[in-house]
Amino acid sequence: AQSVTQPDIHITVSEGASLELRCNYSYGATPYLFWYVQSPGQGLQLLLKYFSGDTLVQGIKGFEAEFKRSQSSFNLRKPSVHWSDAAEYFCAVGISGGYNKLIFGAGTRLAVHP
Amino acid sequence: DGGITQSPKYLFRKEGQNVTLSCEQNLNHDAMYWYRQDPGQGLRLIYYSQIVNDFQKGDIAEGYSVSREKKESFPLTVTSAQKNPTAFYLCASSMSGSSYNEQFFGPGTRLTVL
Repeated sequence: AQSVTQPDIHITVSEGASLELRCNYSYGATPYLFWYVQSPGQGLQLLLKYFSGDTLVQGIKGFEAEFKRSQSSFNLRKPSVHWSDAAEYFCAVGISGGYNKLIFGAGTRLAVHP
Repeated sequence: DGGITQSPKYLFRKEGQNVTLSCEQNLNHDAMYWYRQDPGQGLRLIYYSQIVNDFQKGDIAEGYSVSREKKESFPLTVTSAQKNPTAFYLCASSMSGSSYNEQFFGPGTRLTVL
């Protein structure tokens, strides 16, 4: 069965430090992969997406993610975190061949210390 | 500005009551979705609609109903049959039902059962 695992429920980093949020997926075919961010009490905003081609994807707000097929991973990175990056981050996999179904991970809540 | 609106932002329901959550989009998107979000569980799909007058059950449809009479609107009714309705509800839309299309999310409705 298809699934998305985000191993870290909570992560705390200092402002200016680098960040990596982990995402592993289980899906038999080539996946469509997404990272969304959610501020408290708000909807989700797309950070970046991977469909094919270059495995290093650039997104908004200085985020990037790397697709590694051999590891079934799509980790999100940012070289220098800002206090405004504190939010919850969701990885999702799009199931192809049918309707637009997204399977979401449970999310990683990021806290940023000044 | 194009986008998705959800109303109300907060909703309180007494046990045994049906309540309807509104979702409207002016993005001219064909596909619309309803998700339920609970702490630590990510997003789970309740219902989706790829075109007007057609909708399909998602993973947790029991106790919910929807209609899609207009392209712009996809209201969700939480019925008294839903045993644990307290949650954050998110509506989304996408250009079509293909899984490579980005889903755009509304700001959400928080439902609390009193």
